[in-house]
Amino acid sequence: GQQLNQSPQSMFIQEGEDVSMNCTSSSIFNTWLWYKQDPGEGPVLLIALYKAGELTSNGRLTAQFGITRKDSFLNISASIPSDVGIYFCAGRLGFGNEKLTFGTGTRLTIIP
Amino acid sequence: EAQVTQNPRYLITVTGKKLTVTCSQNMNHEYMSWYRQDPGLGLRQIYYSMNVEVTDKGDVPEGYKVSRKEKRNFPLILESPSPNQTSLYFCASRGAGTNEKLFFGSGTQLSVL
Repeated sequence: GQQLNQSPQSMFIQEGEDVSMNCTSSSIFNTWLWYKQDPGEGPVLLIALYKAGELTSNGRLTAQFGITRKDSFLNISASIPSDVGIYFCAGRLGFGNEKLTFGTGTRLTIIP
Repeated sequence: EAQVTQNPRYLITVTGKKLTVTCSQNMNHEYMSWYRQDPGLGLRQIYYSMNVEVTDKGDVPEGYKVSRKEKRNFPLILESPSPNQTSLYFCASRGAGTNEKLFFGSGTQLSVL
């Protein structure tokens, strides 16, 4: 089955730094989603994107739906300790196709 | 409280011993799905269900079965577990609308010896 390529695989940053991660696919998606997974928990939706070129913010988080519809980006500004976790992108074709394909994840660690 | 409940949270079993992981949601969601999470591979979909008595294979369905006899429940069945099915499993559900949010359970860590 298809998987999305997510990078970087892991990040070690200091508190206060900005974070960028991206997700690429060989196929077009009509919906891009970004999830965060805290240790010992299931993923929780952060941001949903429904149109090519769309830029959406959720507090310090900003995500973009790539123009080609084959990629998406997530930025976190001024990171704080609770940002630690694994971030997943996910894509859905939509239009009756309910299958959601997840990226391989980016593990974010904040160095004290 | 709206939630997806999985049981058990942790399970250790032996090769070949049939097991069932239960999943229940209290949001009257039509869509339910099972994923497995493995290091470096992210979340991979095992099976999903669009509604009662409607199930379909995801990306990695081999070795798994599901059933959807009632709207709220979507159990995952491993008829003859093998060590390569050792993984962290998540159940998820969402409503029927195109832009509905996917809710995840807290996960089931399965070890097959």
